[in-house]
Amino acid sequence: QQQVKQSPQSLIVQKGGISIINCAYENTAFDYFPWYQQFPGKGPALLIAIRPDVSEKKEGRFTISFNKSAKQFSLHIMDSQPGDSATYFCAARMGYSTLTFGKGTMLLVSP
Amino acid sequence: EAQVTQNPRYLITVTGKKLTVTCSQNMNHEYMSWYRQDPGLGLRQIYYSMNVEVTDKGDVPEGYKVSRKEKRNFPLILESPSPNQTSLYFCASSTGISGANVLTFGAGSRLTVL
Repeated sequence: QQQVKQSPQSLIVQKGGISIINCAYENTAFDYFPWYQQFPGKGPALLIAIRPDVSEKKEGRFTISFNKSAKQFSLHIMDSQPGDSATYFCAARMGYSTLTFGKGTMLLVSP
Repeated sequence: EAQVTQNPRYLITVTGKKLTVTCSQNMNHEYMSWYRQDPGLGLRQIYYSMNVEVTDKGDVPEGYKVSRKEKRNFPLILESPSPNQTSLYFCASSTGISGANVLTFGAGSRLTVL
């Protein structure tokens, strides 16, 4: 079974700080790596995504760093804000049918 | 508004009483999928459908059934619910070209089986 390992399970960051969430995968057939953001009581929503031929992708305060040789990718949230407090899921896709999710990271940004 | 609609949002039932969670999308998406979310386990795929009349098992299909008779609807059926199916369920959809790339999720259905 394909796996995506996500860490940490929970994270507390002060307002203005940098939040970093890491994910690792084993199957080199994965070809697309999205991050989803979930607020309490809501469904997950796509935040940012990267393909393995790119080492970094930035959208506003959110950056994905991708290390293909190490089979790792991470989400960096710069200047973290209380409104960023949510659960974050990394995921990996193989083919068109299945998106495998990590177990999630609960981020709390303290004011 | 483009959305995935699930019903019911909350349900308490008893072991063995058949139930259906409906899912409907208004975006003309080919791909639809069901996930369950459990503490410490993240999101796990139950079933998915690439198009009408095409369904396949995900990682945790035991105890569930699905059907895809129309493009917009993808109901999840629990024929004989058990307490280990107590969970938060999400339906999601995506365009056929992108497959499971950009999923739009519903708001979730919290199911408790006593």
